[in-house]
This record gives sequence, structure tokens and C-alpha cells, in this order.
Amino acid sequence: QVQLQESGPGLVKPSQTLSLTCSVSGGSTGSGDSYWAWIRQPPGGGLEWLGHIYYSGSTYYNSSLENRVTISADSSKKQISLKLGSVTAADTAIYYCARCLMGYSGYDRWGQGTLVIVSS
Amino acid sequence: AIQLTQSPSSLSASVGDRVTISCRASQGISSALAWYQQKPGRSPKLLIYDASSLETGVPSRFSASGYGTEFTLTISSLQPEDFATYYCQQFNSYPQTFGQGTKVEIK
Repeated sequence: QVQLQESGPGLVKPSQTLSLTCSVSGGSTGSGDSYWAWIRQPPGGGLEWLGHIYYSGSTYYNSSLENRVTISADSSKKQISLKLGSVTAADTAIYYCARCLMGYSGYDRWGQGTLVIVSS
Repeated sequence: AIQLTQSPSSLSASVGDRVTISCRASQGISSALAWYQQKPGRSPKLLIYDASSLETGVPSRFSASGYGTEFTLTISSLQPEDFATYYCQQFNSYPQTFGQGTKVEIK
């Protein structure tokens, strides 16, 4: 059973870079059967897809983030990373990593999420 | 970006009721749609993928249909554990987008 766990600082100062890691257990991030996404949710708000990465390293990002986001993967460590630069209070949210099997429309595995607050 | 509009935004229903939630896409997305359930303090849970396929382990009282721009999620007989917020998400084109959510509350 694949499990995902997000980790990283819970507090980031404005203008700095938010960095999170998603650790995958029970599966591989380097196989071609799935891709891995970051999705966030402001407190009391809806869900926003930030981007995803394929096993090949190809990435797709939400253009609304204006090139502030970078997703990378380390298959040897079974980790997916998120970096979001120049953060503001509007980036305060619960950040989730999630898995989608290739050929399917649906994220079937989610981490428990980690709350990141942007504040000085 | 493709916009997904869910209706209603919230509803009140009783245990045993039949509940239907709609998700309308601003342009055609074929069957590239998922439905999730989210309870307070929890991660979203996949209910339906590919517009109408029931995820393993999800009770059969959940069903969904649709293609193109109109989609529906139906709960045939609402149970106490079904009170939650439901989201649709499209996978047809980037950026992937979510509906704004439908909160199902106890009447």
C-alpha cells in the first residue's frame, strides 16, 4: 500500500522560498505507472493543483503561480520535492502531495497534508 | 483554464435521502473527471475516476455519470459518514482544476 508523507517548515517568512518534501513508502517514484502532484488548500478554502512530475522528470505547472514553483523527484530516496518562491500570505495553505496512476483521471493516494503559514 | 462549477454549493439532507451534485465544465473534457470526498481535517479521498468508475473500496451507494461538460455525482441513500464536502476535478487539460466544492450537511 503506497503511503505519502509531507514534511517541511510550518512557518515561512514573506518573500522567502517554501520548501516541502513528500516521502513515498510502499511504492516507487521512479516507475512509469504513476505521476506525482502537489495540491494545496487555503484554510477553509478549495483545492488548487500546483503541478506534477512524471517518473521521467517531465513537469507541468500551474501557470497561475507565475513561474514561482519547482517540483523535483529523487527516485533513490523516493521523495518528491516542492519549492515555491517569493511567498506571500496568500500562499498560506495545507500542502498535499498526491499520486495519479497513468491513464487514470483521479489522485488515488494523498498525504495527510502539511500546513504552511507565511508570516513575518 | 477550464472552470468547473459545482451546484449546489451546499445542501442539507437527511440520512436515507438521495443526493445529487452537479459539476459543469466550461468546455468539453470528455470523461477526464474525478470526484473526491473531504471531511474536516482530512485529506481528500478519491470516490470516482474517469467520470464514472468507482474507486476500489468505495461503497456502491456512490455513483457518477457524465461526459463532455455535464457531470453528476449521486449518493443513493445518504449515510451519517457521508456528510462532507465533495469536489470534482478535471484532467483533460492543464492546469488541472477543481470545482469549488459542495458541502453536504445534516438536515
